[in-house]
Amino acid sequence: DTGVSQDPRHKITKRGQNVTFRCDPISEHNRLYWYRQTLGQGPEFLTYFQNEAQLEKSRLLSDRFSAERPKGSFSTLEIQRTEQGDSAMYLCASSTTSGSSDEQFFGPGTRLTVL
Amino acid sequence: GESVGLHLPTLSVQEGDNSIINCAYSNSASDYFIWYKQESGKGPQFIIDIRSNMDKRQGQRVTVLLNKTVKHLSLQIAATQPGDSAVYFCAEIPLYDKVIFGPGTSLSVIP
Repeated sequence: DTGVSQDPRHKITKRGQNVTFRCDPISEHNRLYWYRQTLGQGPEFLTYFQNEAQLEKSRLLSDRFSAERPKGSFSTLEIQRTEQGDSAMYLCASSTTSGSSDEQFFGPGTRLTVL
Repeated sequence: GESVGLHLPTLSVQEGDNSIINCAYSNSASDYFIWYKQESGKGPQFIIDIRSNMDKRQGQRVTVLLNKTVKHLSLQIAATQPGDSAVYFCAEIPLYDKVIFGPGTSLSVIP
């Protein structure tokens, strides 16, 4: 499968614990995006990278959230001291700036449940 | 602020009928729009896009219409099939930038 992959698919944690998610984009894509989606809502932008540089962060991304893309390939999203309000689907998408299409390809998401 | 929204949260159609899903956007400067389909447990899947220099674009069984005057976008699905059951999002995306999603419409196809 050459699409965007995310790991884990599901994560259940207790409030106050730290969690880390991983996203592997399509290999030739230089842009990588993180979104959060709550039930019944559309995904909301969190942050994105071009290669290894983090170019924009949403105000939704509190200081408990951190994202990295150290080698410009896979990315991790860490949430520290999780809260029940962090429960959501975390989606990753990738795209390329070298083509004529702006299409972002989404992964299956990681569903986080904070108890 | 900027927003992209949908008129109807749910839509039920008979198999074989045509479906129309509507969307309103508020930023008149937006020049690129996408319709996404999201099935349960999956990420959004690109269906069709349209740029502001067009008012209609057709794909396979899907047509997107853009009315810039009233800032309205619609997705038409011809001969709706059970596999079309999903949540549909309209979205606005500046060039090489983040996607701004609307809240979604749930389409249910009745066999």
